[in-house]
Amino acid sequence: EAQVTQNPRYLITVTGKKLTVTCSQNMNHEYMSWYRQDPGLGLRQIYYSMNVEVTDKGDVPEGYKVSRKEKRNFPLILESPSPNQTSLYFCASSLGYLVRADEQFFGPGTRLTVL
Amino acid sequence: AQKITQTQPGMFVQEKEAVTLDCTYDTSDQSYGLFWYKQPSSGEMIFLIYQGSYDEQNATEGRYSLNFQKARKSANLVISASQLGDSAMYFCAMREGRDDKIIFGKGTRLHILP
Repeated sequence: EAQVTQNPRYLITVTGKKLTVTCSQNMNHEYMSWYRQDPGLGLRQIYYSMNVEVTDKGDVPEGYKVSRKEKRNFPLILESPSPNQTSLYFCASSLGYLVRADEQFFGPGTRLTVL
Repeated sequence: AQKITQTQPGMFVQEKEAVTLDCTYDTSDQSYGLFWYKQPSSGEMIFLIYQGSYDEQNATEGRYSLNFQKARKSANLVISASQLGDSAMYFCAMREGRDDKIIFGKGTRLHILP
C-alpha cells in the first residue's frame, strides 16, 4: 500500500530534550516536505527536499533540522525543542513535478507537545 | 503579503447546495501549480484537485471543480451538490516554479447543514 508513515504519532517532551520525528515513504517520490499546523495559521512549510542530499528551507525553518540521506526517509530533528514548537506536524511526499498534477501524499501527523 | 488568501474563515451551507470556496494567490512566476486539500475532523489531509498555471481548461474531479481566473489570480473551489461528508477544513495551496516551496492558505471551515 502506497503510504507515508510518521513516528511517533504523539509525543510529549520537555524543553531542550532533542527529538527526532521520522518520516518514510514507499512511493519512490522525489519531493518530501515537513509542515506544521497551528490553529488559525493553516499549514506552514518547515523544510523540503527535491532529492537525496538536497534540502531547502520553507517558511518556518528556525529551530528545526532535516536530512535526506535516502530517498525514502526525511527525518525532522528538533535539537532543543521549545514550547512554541508545540504543534501538529505533517510529513508529505510527491513525485516532484510542477506543471503536471503532483498530488502530495500526507502522513497521518505527529502531535508534539513541548512542556 | 500573504501569497495565498482564503477570505472565508467559516461557511455554513445547506445540504445539496453548491459551494464556492474562495482562494486568491500572489506570484510573479509564470509557472506554478494550485492545489486544494480537504482536512476532515479526523485530521488526515486529502488531495482534491490541481490546476497548473498553463492549463487552459478549469480542472474538474467528480463533484469538485476549480474556477481558475488567471488574470484575477483566483482559484476558487466549487463543490456541487454538497453532502454532509463535505463538512471539513479546506486548504488552498500553491507551488511556485522559482523555488518549489509550497504555500498554504489559512483554510476555510465548511459546515454542511442537513
